Amino acid sequence: DTGVSQDPRHKITKRGQNVTFRCDPISEHNRLYWYRQTLGQGPEFLTYFQNEAQLEKSRLLSDRFSAERPKGSFSTLEIQRTEQGDSAMYLCASSSGTSGGITDTQYFGPGTRLTVL
Amino acid sequence: AQTVTQSQPEMSVQEAETVTLSCTYDTSENNYYLFWYKQPPSRQMILVIRQEAYKQQNATENRFSVNFQKAAKSFSLKISDSQLGDTAMYFCAFIKDNAGNMLTFGGGTRLMVKP
Repeated sequence: DTGVSQDPRHKITKRGQNVTFRCDPISEHNRLYWYRQTLGQGPEFLTYFQNEAQLEKSRLLSDRFSAERPKGSFSTLEIQRTEQGDSAMYLCASSSGTSGGITDTQYFGPGTRLTVL
Repeated sequence: AQTVTQSQPEMSVQEAETVTLSCTYDTSENNYYLFWYKQPPSRQMILVIRQEAYKQQNATENRFSVNFQKAAKSFSLKISDSQLGDTAMYFCAFIKDNAGNMLTFGGGTRLMVKP
């Protein structure tokens, strides 16, 4: 079991460009989460997938942000027309989605650090 | 909405000593989970310990233990026999029970273990 992986680890882009990040969850984890972490702060929830269905989105996820999880495996997060305020660490996490309504533990990837110039 | 507050932005401790990190939270939920995550410099976040709100017994994981006070909505982390590798940001986090999916994090405490 290789853990949650994210690609790229670092991305520098110019304001107005589009960027896309990828997250590969732990094998057989059916829940996948995206968070954003700005410098010196705790992560903030962006969105959540149960298999391929996007079940919850934060108000932080403006219409410039879109996330997908085709086939319920890896996920992508795209930011269109990037702004300097988008500069942050984007974290992905996955969990097994155990049955019975028991909350399961989220395991985090290393993150993608985005810098918008 | 839930909020999580960590009132100590930075702390330091001598190697082999004990340190306690504070966390308070606000919620109207009765069933929930609390976590402490560790984020070493330039490394990914890892789970340190978790506590189910319905359990009265405080969780322990080797050198890490919590003091969970449900009525006071307090969830502190005690690190015993501190090691240099414990140097990291520590985040307290909350999640509702019953298919809750959004972790709410505190602002973090930066812990420095000094040799």
